Amino acid sequence: QSALTQPASVSGSPGQSITISCTGTSSDVGSYNLVSWYQQHPDKAPKLIIFEVSKRPSGVSNRFSGSKSGNTASLTISGLQAEDEADYYCCSYAGSNTPWVFGGGTKVTVL
Amino acid sequence: EVQLVESGGGLVQPGGSLRLSCAASGFTLSSYEMNWVRQAPGKGLEWVSHISSSGRTINYADSVKGRFTISRDNAKNSLYLQMNSLRAEDTAVYYCARDYSTYGRFDYWGQGTLVTVSS
Repeated sequence: QSALTQPASVSGSPGQSITISCTGTSSDVGSYNLVSWYQQHPDKAPKLIIFEVSKRPSGVSNRFSGSKSGNTASLTISGLQAEDEADYYCCSYAGSNTPWVFGGGTKVTVL
Repeated sequence: EVQLVESGGGLVQPGGSLRLSCAASGFTLSSYEMNWVRQAPGKGLEWVSHISSSGRTINYADSVKGRFTISRDNAKNSLYLQMNSLRAEDTAVYYCARDYSTYGRFDYWGQGTLVTVSS
């Protein structure tokens, strides 16, 4: 039940696009299209921004998109804005015994 | 409006116990699977426990198995986490989160309750 691997930090200038990777194994990310992404601002609860790899909840900007290839999922933020500065976490289904595993989190900085 | 409100956190000595509650409003709790997720100070999110809508299926992270017990009272629209044999490494903000679809779509989260395990 190891945490998924995310880069500790990613940065970009306003208007740019950035991509955050989330690497798991063939037992979690690689086996199920059940990867979700959460945005967390300081001292706030996490907010769902992507579910089932690439679906966006109602109300979430279309600047956020998700994808998956093999054991690695990715979150892309296009047209980076100051309000996107936050921590981002991926989460994957990992089987019936311990169903959910999170990534270690990525801090996004808007330069 | 959907709301989840956690309570029951506080300071407890190592080896002690605490019971967290999560009060749900704005939706029918019995229709949804629920989870507890925690976040140690300055650290990332860690999934802790899951309970199915009926309460018949329950899962725990290895780090809390045998010490924590999740339960729900659908009639009271409440979710619980009984935490025993607490350790310093259990210090965290504990969130309850609703799974909209059973497939890891944690669409609503509470504001969290802080549990501090220290002597």
